[in-house]
Amino acid sequence: GIQVEQSPPDLILQEGANSTLRCNFSDSVNNLQWFHQNPWGQLINLFYIPSGTKQNGRLSATTVATERYSLLYISSSQTTDSGVYFCAQGGGFNKFYFGSGTKLNVKP
Amino acid sequence: DAGVTQSPTHLIKTRGQQVTLRCSPKSGHDTVSWYQQALGQGPQFIFQYYEEEERQRGNFPDRFSGHQFPNYSSELNVNALLLGDSALYLCASSLVYTLYGYTFGSGTRLTVV
Repeated sequence: GIQVEQSPPDLILQEGANSTLRCNFSDSVNNLQWFHQNPWGQLINLFYIPSGTKQNGRLSATTVATERYSLLYISSSQTTDSGVYFCAQGGGFNKFYFGSGTKLNVKP
Repeated sequence: DAGVTQSPTHLIKTRGQQVTLRCSPKSGHDTVSWYQQALGQGPQFIFQYYEEEERQRGNFPDRFSGHQFPNYSSELNVNALLLGDSALYLCASSLVYTLYGYTFGSGTRLTVV
């Protein structure tokens, strides 16, 4: 089946630092999404990025579908960036397979 | 624009009981999917409803069942609760045949004691 692996599992940053989160997936991708889950459990869409590069403010993402990986870049991190970041690969009929997440803690 | 709403937000049940969770999809969406997220793990797909029928099912036992109503809202029912059913239950809505715009609710945290 489809497998999604994320690294690192945990990340601690000082406010203002930059970081890169990685997602490897096992199958050819036609749908890939990055989510942020805040400390209250809400999953927020960050990027729908089956291929290429997208940017939204301090966040950007790149997916290289031929090499089966995606990267999420966070620049000038803020304490509000804390939480768990998930990548998820689409499969079947409208469903996602999630990785185990990267837990980010940004300290002031 | 109301997003996906779930109720209740928190629930405590006793082992062996039955529970019903509810979800109202985002306006304009016609497909509802349910996920279970155990502590420290990523969400896992339970099942999905479209046109009031279960269209896909993940690796969950028959104790997990659901329903979709004509207004696209949905319920998740879990019978004979086990301690291991304690988790955050997330509902997501979307348009059929696309993952673009997939939207999650804030979840129902179920604790089984």
